[in-house]
Amino acid sequence: EDQVTQSPEALRLQEGESSSLNCSYTVSGLRGLFWYRQDPGKGPEFLFTLYSAGEEKEKERLKATLTKKESFLHITAPKPEDSATYLCAVQALGGGSQGNLIFGKGTKLSVKP
Amino acid sequence: GAVVSQHPSRVICKSGTSVKIECRSLDFQATTMFWYRQFPKQSLMLMATSNEGSKATYEQGVEKDKFLINHASLTLSTLTVTSAHPEDSSFYICSASRAHGNTIYFGEGSWLTVV
Repeated sequence: EDQVTQSPEALRLQEGESSSLNCSYTVSGLRGLFWYRQDPGKGPEFLFTLYSAGEEKEKERLKATLTKKESFLHITAPKPEDSATYLCAVQALGGGSQGNLIFGKGTKLSVKP
Repeated sequence: GAVVSQHPSRVICKSGTSVKIECRSLDFQATTMFWYRQFPKQSLMLMATSNEGSKATYEQGVEKDKFLINHASLTLSTLTVTSAHPEDSSFYICSASRAHGNTIYFGEGSWLTVV
């Protein structure tokens, strides 16, 4: 069964304190792994798509990496505005129409000034 | 800016009535759109896959007669919650991807409260 597990469930950081969020996945064949940011009461905002082990992508203070079993979202010198829930999702090969994502439960990040 | 738009963002309806939520892709054609619901502090759960010009595909446990999906054009899918009950109160979110791309965009979500 395809599965996505994110850890930790919640993470509190001081402004400037770098850290990483983990997304472990089990999927029959990976088409893509997605990271989204979700603010309270809003839809997910797309951050990154990773397709193969070893791939890395960066955007401002965020960097996503991928291995065959997990992905990390590294946050460097976070600011309070980075506070949000970060969602990881995988898309399986051949498992239905394009866009069928399997989501983890998310990591709620709080960054204190 | 947003590439997938939902309307309304918030709706309150009386128990037993029906409510329609729209999902539009703003600058691209989406042959497939997806509908999710999200309960507080929970992750997104796929309800159904909306296919333009054909019947929607529903996930196990989702009642197709209760959650009517119509994908009448390449830029619009609608979700109608029929005979709504308080337990249908939730955050409903749609997503879509471009025909030749793999980035999946989400709408802003629609809060439904059934009273």
